Amino acid sequence: DIQMTQSPSSLSASVGDRVTITCRASQSISDYVNWYQQKPGKAPKVLIYAASSLPSGVPSRFSGSGSGTDFTLTISSLQPEDFAAYYCQQTYSTPRTFGQGTKVEIK
Amino acid sequence: QVQLQESGPGLVKPSETLSLTCTISGGSISTNYWTWIRQPPGKGLEWIGYVYHSGSTNYNPSLKSRVTISVDTSKNQSSLKLTSVTTADTAVYYCARPYGPWADALDIWGQGTMVTVSS
Repeated sequence: DIQMTQSPSSLSASVGDRVTITCRASQSISDYVNWYQQKPGKAPKVLIYAASSLPSGVPSRFSGSGSGTDFTLTISSLQPEDFAAYYCQQTYSTPRTFGQGTKVEIK
Repeated sequence: QVQLQESGPGLVKPSETLSLTCTISGGSISTNYWTWIRQPPGKGLEWIGYVYHSGSTNYNPSLKSRVTISVDTSKNQSSLKLTSVTTADTAVYYCARPYGPWADALDIWGQGTMVTVSS
């Protein structure tokens, strides 16, 4: 199985801050990484697919980068509605695996 | 647009079988494959497996001996069965659609259904 190590597990930030979350794969997975946002009591929502592509409707303050084993999700200017949990997922091979999650909290 | 809805018992006894259904509306089950994900309370996401409309499946090895995912094309439904459940299987269970053009990212999710394993 490919392990996805996500860090940090939690962070505190203020509105307007730039936030970076990283995910490291246990082997090279090209660009087969997706990022999700999950708010309490809700299903996850895809923010980034194929490492760096933004689905229609996702705000441009979200961006993704990386290839191979190291990936990054960046929120350029944190907004009140961005306080949530974030997960990376690899779709390079099965079983599909998720990172452990990052909880973004208000400072 | 395509919508997913999970349904099934919210309480299952230890050692029994958990059975859930995902109903697909607004689209055909035959145009894609379908995934099940679960999330224990306060924890992260776990991929359970997927099923193609043909019935072909792929399961997480950690659950493979206990899980069956199937489709009923006549009802536009996918089903999940998990046998010999324990309290560790208590979770919110989601069905979701992997979208091929998006590197199989899960672009559509059901709202999830909470299943508690308890006597």
